[in-house]
Amino acid sequence: NAGVTQTPKFQVLKTGQSMTLQCAQDMNHEYMSWYRQDPGMGLRLIHYSVGAGITDQGEVPNGYNVSRSTTEDFPLRLLSAAPSQTSVYFCASAGTGYNTGEKLFFGSGTQLSVL
Amino acid sequence: GENVEQHPSTLSVQEGDSAVIKCTYSDSASNYFPWYKQELGKGPQLIIDIRSNVGEKKDQRIAVTLNKTAKHFSLHITETQPEDSAVYFCAATNAGGTSYGKLTFGQGTILTVHP
Repeated sequence: NAGVTQTPKFQVLKTGQSMTLQCAQDMNHEYMSWYRQDPGMGLRLIHYSVGAGITDQGEVPNGYNVSRSTTEDFPLRLLSAAPSQTSVYFCASAGTGYNTGEKLFFGSGTQLSVL
Repeated sequence: GENVEQHPSTLSVQEGDSAVIKCTYSDSASNYFPWYKQELGKGPQLIIDIRSNVGEKKDQRIAVTLNKTAKHFSLHITETQPEDSAVYFCAATNAGGTSYGKLTFGQGTILTVHP
């Protein structure tokens, strides 16, 4: 049982390049979300999904795209990377129902630098 | 939307001392308040949480208190140990339904415990 797996762990991009951050969970969780972590700003929600085929925007969605074709996977796409997207990205998942739906399980993160 | 403020941003204590981290929230509809610990190079991990119908919760050396009237909640760590050194995040949400998987985080506190 690996939990939440994120790849890659590190990535360097040039401005304007596109890439996909991968996230997979093996806990059969319905809820998945992407956060970015910046110094002094905590974790901010980018996009989230309440189940396969259903996604919605969080607090800072601009410049990012998501899709959820399966329960297990929730990739995050950077369409045209900008230096402002330099950050550490975390994927998280949660189960359903009272006392489980709020408890997030996080991956180990992807550190992204955009030059 | 919800706004969570966390203080202090850094906290340095001697081993064996107590540490207190405080958070305030803005949305009176929030009813679930978790605390996450993030060790270097890892994703945040849930360490304790409290719901709005409870004023205090304790788990060994850590405890959380909630004052709904003042809209603030605090993390208390007693008998600190070097392994408590990490970044701590508070969060808040109106748990239930479409709020699952969505937390609003504070800015984080870097706790350093000196041997």
